[in-house]
Amino acid sequence: EDQVTQSPEALRLQEGESSSLNCSYTVSGLRGLFWYRQDPGKGPEFLFTLYSAGEEKEKERLKATLTKKESFLHITAPKPEDSATYLCAVQAGGNNDMRFGAGTRLTVKP
Amino acid sequence: GAVVSQHPSWVICKSGTSVKIECRSLDFQATTMFWYRQFPKQSLMLMATSNEGSKATYEQGVEKDKFLINHASLTLSTLTVTSAHPEDSSFYICSASPNNYGYTFGSGTRLTVV
Repeated sequence: EDQVTQSPEALRLQEGESSSLNCSYTVSGLRGLFWYRQDPGKGPEFLFTLYSAGEEKEKERLKATLTKKESFLHITAPKPEDSATYLCAVQAGGNNDMRFGAGTRLTVKP
Repeated sequence: GAVVSQHPSWVICKSGTSVKIECRSLDFQATTMFWYRQFPKQSLMLMATSNEGSKATYEQGVEKDKFLINHASLTLSTLTVTSAHPEDSSFYICSASPNNYGYTFGSGTRLTVV
C-alpha cells in the first residue's frame, strides 16, 4: 500500500532561520510527487511537482528535491508569511488520484 | 490557468437535511474530479473519484448512499451529503486537473451540522 510520511509534524522557526521539511514515500511506480501549501480554512495551493530522482525545483525561498525514497522542501531565510501547513502528495501506478501525507505545520516568528 | 471553483465556501445545516456542494473547472474540462475530506489539523483523505458520465468510485469506508456524487458534465461535479449528522461536519475539498498531473484544488467548503 502506498504510504506518505511527513516530518516533522510541526516546526517553529525564527524569521531568517533556514530549515527543511521531509516527505518519505513508499509507492509502486511513482508518477509524481507534489508539494502544496495550505493556509487555514483554504484549499491547498500548488507549489511543485517532481517526477524523477535528482530533480530539483525552486520558487522564491522554497526549493524541492527528490530522491528514490524521499523529498525535501528547503526553506531559505523564511518570513512570517511562509507560515502555513505544507503538504506532500504522491501519484503512483495507474492511479490518477493523489495520496497525501499528514503535513508539516510551519510557524515562522518575526 | 487550471482554476477550480467550489461553492459554497461554508454552510450550516440542521441534522437530517441534505447539503449540496459544487465543484467547477472554470477553464478546462475535467473527466475526473476528486473529493477529499479534512478534519481539523489532519491531512486530506480521499473520499471518492468522480467520473464524468459514469458512477463515482468510493474509497473504502465511505458510504456511497450518504455522500452522493454526480458528475453530469465535463466542468461540474457535485457532492451531496444526505441526512447530515454532526459527525459529518468537516472541510470538504475537490480537485481536478486538465492532464491528470498537477492537480488544482477548490477553496473548500466548511460544513457544520447542528
